[in-house]
Amino acid sequence: QKEVEQNSGPLSVPEGAIASLNCTYSDRGSQSFFWYRQYSGKSPELIMSIYSNGDKEDGRFTAQLNKASQYVSLLIRDSQPSDSATYLCAQSRAGNMLTFGGGTRLMVKP
Amino acid sequence: ETGVTQTPRHLVMGMTNKKSLKCEQHLGHNAMYWYKQSAKKPLELMFVYNFKEQTENNSVPSRFSPECPNSSHLFLHLHTLQPEDSALYLCASSQDPGLGTDTQYFGPGTRLTVL
Repeated sequence: QKEVEQNSGPLSVPEGAIASLNCTYSDRGSQSFFWYRQYSGKSPELIMSIYSNGDKEDGRFTAQLNKASQYVSLLIRDSQPSDSATYLCAQSRAGNMLTFGGGTRLMVKP
Repeated sequence: ETGVTQTPRHLVMGMTNKKSLKCEQHLGHNAMYWYKQSAKKPLELMFVYNFKEQTENNSVPSRFSPECPNSSHLFLHLHTLQPEDSALYLCASSQDPGLGTDTQYFGPGTRLTVL
């Protein structure tokens, strides 16, 4: 069973802090990963994708991929209360079929 | 309309009813997907259509029947569902699933309740 694992949380951080979200995967076959944000009662929206080993930055978000250790992380700098949501990690396999983790609930407290 | 739209947004049905969910994408994409999101469970892929051809059926019970008449429209026909089928059903689309960098964009979902 190819799995993507995330800590369900909640992860609580104060406003302005760095939130660190982690994801591990078991399938070494695919190296395409996606982070989605999902607000309660809403559908997932794409935040970032990462395909290469290392870091990828986009505004306040940085995705990190470590193929050797089989983990992906998402850092959110200067966290805002509006960042409070569930963050979903997904791995793409052949035919772009996504396997999702269970999500980590982030709470940013003012 | 822009992006991916789904109708209805909410649906309540009895176990003996037949209903259909509709998804439409306005992005010019070639692939469409159905996902199920139940409480306390990860998003589960149900079906994949690439250029109108079904390329994946993820062991979904036959009471769920997909239909993709063209690259822009996707339906999920429902009949004799069970209460455990109550969930958020999400449609997504992407440009080219043959690309490792292909990105899926989700519609708002249909919240289904089976009584």
